[in-house]
Amino acid sequence: DGGITQSPKYLFRKEGQNVTLSCEQNLNHDAMYWYRQDPGQGLRLIYYSQIVNDFQKGDIAEGYSVSREKKESFPLTVTSAQKNPTAFYLCASSIQADSPLHFGNGTRLTVT
Amino acid sequence: GESVGLHLPTLSVQEGDNSIINCAYSNSASDYFIWYKQESGKGPQFIIDIRSNMDKRQGQRVTVLLNKTVKHLSLQIAATQPGDSAVYFCAEENDYKLSFGAGTTVTVRA
Repeated sequence: DGGITQSPKYLFRKEGQNVTLSCEQNLNHDAMYWYRQDPGQGLRLIYYSQIVNDFQKGDIAEGYSVSREKKESFPLTVTSAQKNPTAFYLCASSIQADSPLHFGNGTRLTVT
Repeated sequence: GESVGLHLPTLSVQEGDNSIINCAYSNSASDYFIWYKQESGKGPQFIIDIRSNMDKRQGQRVTVLLNKTVKHLSLQIAATQPGDSAVYFCAEENDYKLSFGAGTTVTVRA
């Protein structure tokens, strides 16, 4: 089955630690995205990548970093510089820029 | 009957009725729009999309209407079922990125 896999589903970290969220897709999509969702709110774009070895900041990139070394993988690191990291993180991919995004089932990160 | 939510965060609808979920978008240059459905604890699921050269598009039990004059998008769900209970988001595409609205929570009453 083709799809997007995010792991783990739940993640707990202590404040001050960096943490990396995994996102893998086997849809052969060029574009990949990371969104953050807070309770009762819409999705906000953190980073996106339209092609391997290239990525751009979204609307709320501060405190986050990404890499895109392989087409199928787009990991997100939440650094200790992110002031409010507790949230639901969603990874998505699309075949090209103006086509629907396919989402993973998210990682819920809790930082205490 | 119909239940209409005019930019409301929540919508309660009787099973079997039609639902209308509304969305205002911000950028008159946007040319691609998508509706997503999100169930609790899951990622958003694609429902239907529409490009700016169209006013209306129909899918299975769903219809999307686009009014570019007032920058308004709506999703109509026919014969609403319990499985339609979820949060519905509209999204507009700008500069190769999708921007999402805050969402409308639809609750279907038996």
